[in-house]
Amino acid sequence: GQQLNQSPQSMFIQEGEDVSMNCTSSSIFNTWLWYKQDPGEGPVLLIALYKAGELTSNGRLTAQFGITRKDSFLNISASIPSDVGIYFCAGQHLGGNQFYFGTGTSLTVIP
Amino acid sequence: DAGVTQSPTHLIKTRGQHVTLRCSPISGHKSVSWYQQVLGQGPQFIFQYYEKEERGRGNFPDRFSARQFPNYSSELNVNALLLGDSALYLCASSLVVLSSPLHFGNGTRLTVT
Repeated sequence: GQQLNQSPQSMFIQEGEDVSMNCTSSSIFNTWLWYKQDPGEGPVLLIALYKAGELTSNGRLTAQFGITRKDSFLNISASIPSDVGIYFCAGQHLGGNQFYFGTGTSLTVIP
Repeated sequence: DAGVTQSPTHLIKTRGQHVTLRCSPISGHKSVSWYQQVLGQGPQFIFQYYEKEERGRGNFPDRFSARQFPNYSSELNVNALLLGDSALYLCASSLVVLSSPLHFGNGTRLTVT
């Protein structure tokens, strides 16, 4: 099946630092989603992207739909302890009915 | 408004048994999808239903089946459980099928012994 590669696999950062992570695929997607998952809970939707080049913000989070349509990026500014968790990207093909999920980026924020 | 609700939250079953998981979507959402998440991995697509019809099926054996009811709630059934079926089963609802963000419940943690 379709594989989405996320990098980095894990990050350890100091509180207040900015974070950047990305997601790449071997095929073109029409929709990109970014999620955060805490232990024992389901993924929570952070940002949805629908057009190549689109840049969308949600508070301290900013995500971009790559112009090649094969990648997407998530940035978190001024990280805080509650940003700890696993971040997943997900993509859907044009006309597709399923979302393909990435391998996840685990974020640890050191106070 | 209530989010996606799933029941039960945890379940322990023995190999060979059958299990039924339930999901209620967000009010107004007509599509329900099921995903399996194995520890350390991203969710994997199992089924999608829209207006009570199956719209998509992932690469899972026929032991997995699902249905959607007139009130848009859904059930996922797994027969002849295997140890490898142990996972977090996530239900997600969306307004429609295409380009519609998924909103997940907190999942059912299934352990097969």
